[in-house]
Amino acid sequence: DGGITQSPKYLFRKEGQNVTLSCEQNLNHDAMYWYRQDPGQGLRLIYYSQIVNDFQKGDIAEGYSVSREKKESFPLTVTSAQKNPTAFYLCASSLTETSTDTQYFGPGTRLTVL
Amino acid sequence: GQQVMQIPQYQHVQEGEDFTTYCNSSTTLSNIQWYKQRPGGHPVFLIQLVKSGEVKKQKRLTFQFGEAKKNSSLHITATQTTDVGTYFCAPPQKLVFGQGTRLTINP
Repeated sequence: DGGITQSPKYLFRKEGQNVTLSCEQNLNHDAMYWYRQDPGQGLRLIYYSQIVNDFQKGDIAEGYSVSREKKESFPLTVTSAQKNPTAFYLCASSLTETSTDTQYFGPGTRLTVL
Repeated sequence: GQQVMQIPQYQHVQEGEDFTTYCNSSTTLSNIQWYKQRPGGHPVFLIQLVKSGEVKKQKRLTFQFGEAKKNSSLHITATQTTDVGTYFCAPPQKLVFGQGTRLTINP
């Protein structure tokens, strides 16, 4: 069953703690992305990766970090430096970073920082 | 990166009425994609437009790409409750999706 998975679906953390969100895909896609969505807002790109061991900052990378050690995995760490981390986080992948490739989204993780 | 503006931000209609959302860019786009996000869900790809003046249909949904490739629209004919959600347009570089148009429907 091919697809892109994110875990957990809901996550609660105390302020000041780092937290890592998981994103896994078995679609054999080269490109992966992390977006943040705030209530009633669009999608803003945090980080993206075109290939293993390489990634670039998006528009709102401050306070976040990523790694791409395996093609299938692109975890996102929300650090304590992120001033307002409560949001809905969406991971996506596409075959390549080519603009005409379709993006496939995971189900998302809702992070609440208390 | 390329950014797009979507209007309206919200639209509430009676079931059976038509609905249109517009996506506008200040620069020429090589292509544009449309996604739908159901409440509480994740965006799902609907369609891609590439050619100037292109029109594509999916049942009650009609997608159009402007002649200058700077704007696009999505029109839904005779809305149904299953159409509820937020519709996003995505520019080629995917750095920032359009803000989306949230559609709600009165049954």
